[in-house]
Amino acid sequence: QQPVQSPQAVILREGEDAVINCSSSKALYSVHWYRQKHGEAPVFLMILLKGGEQKGHDKISASFNEKKQQSSLYLTASQLSYSGTYFCGTALNDYKLSFGAGTTVTVRA
Amino acid sequence: KAGVTQTPRYLIKTRGQQVTLSCSPISGHRSVSWYQQTPGQGLQFLFEYFSETQRNKGNFPGRFSGRQFSNSRSEMNVSTLELGDSALYLCASSAGTGGNSPLHFGNGTRLTVT
Repeated sequence: QQPVQSPQAVILREGEDAVINCSSSKALYSVHWYRQKHGEAPVFLMILLKGGEQKGHDKISASFNEKKQQSSLYLTASQLSYSGTYFCGTALNDYKLSFGAGTTVTVRA
Repeated sequence: KAGVTQTPRYLIKTRGQQVTLSCSPISGHRSVSWYQQTPGQGLQFLFEYFSETQRNKGNFPGRFSGRQFSNSRSEMNVSTLELGDSALYLCASSAGTGGNSPLHFGNGTRLTVT
């Protein structure tokens, strides 16, 4: 079952912050975050396993609320290089990662 | 380390034909997953193989099939092609299984069905 991502798109100016949300109706084993730039393959950002941990990648961090089956990706002090489509992937077990529809992030100078 | 390699990069086929796509994972990775990407549907899971066994399958018709060889290389086959099969097909490999390990994607095969 595909997770639900919101918002569908966001436009930022350099230095601004944004939050992308990902939710599932079923109990999750793990949540992944990927970024895909136009014409390129998706690139792994981080994985969060059950346990409510928070991880970071440069100024991009994420949290996983196991009770609510929700994850949030935080873009802090955005840079032009953060532009792209962000996908959350959710796994109900250790096989099969299902992706949300994606959130398009545009960072402008 | 070399990344995930998918061949061919582009394919043009006509309706009714069949096609085989190939994926070579990162050396040492035993899991290969396949996804279909279209503008309207995002990334749709096709199947995942681990050590030559299909571990999970997405909601695609039986025309879509795959296999994994002993060297972890994988192929995906689509028979009786339809116009709606036009998409970017992405292969991803991981050291563990797809749920608990990062996926490393190839650049994909762009399939156009006319």
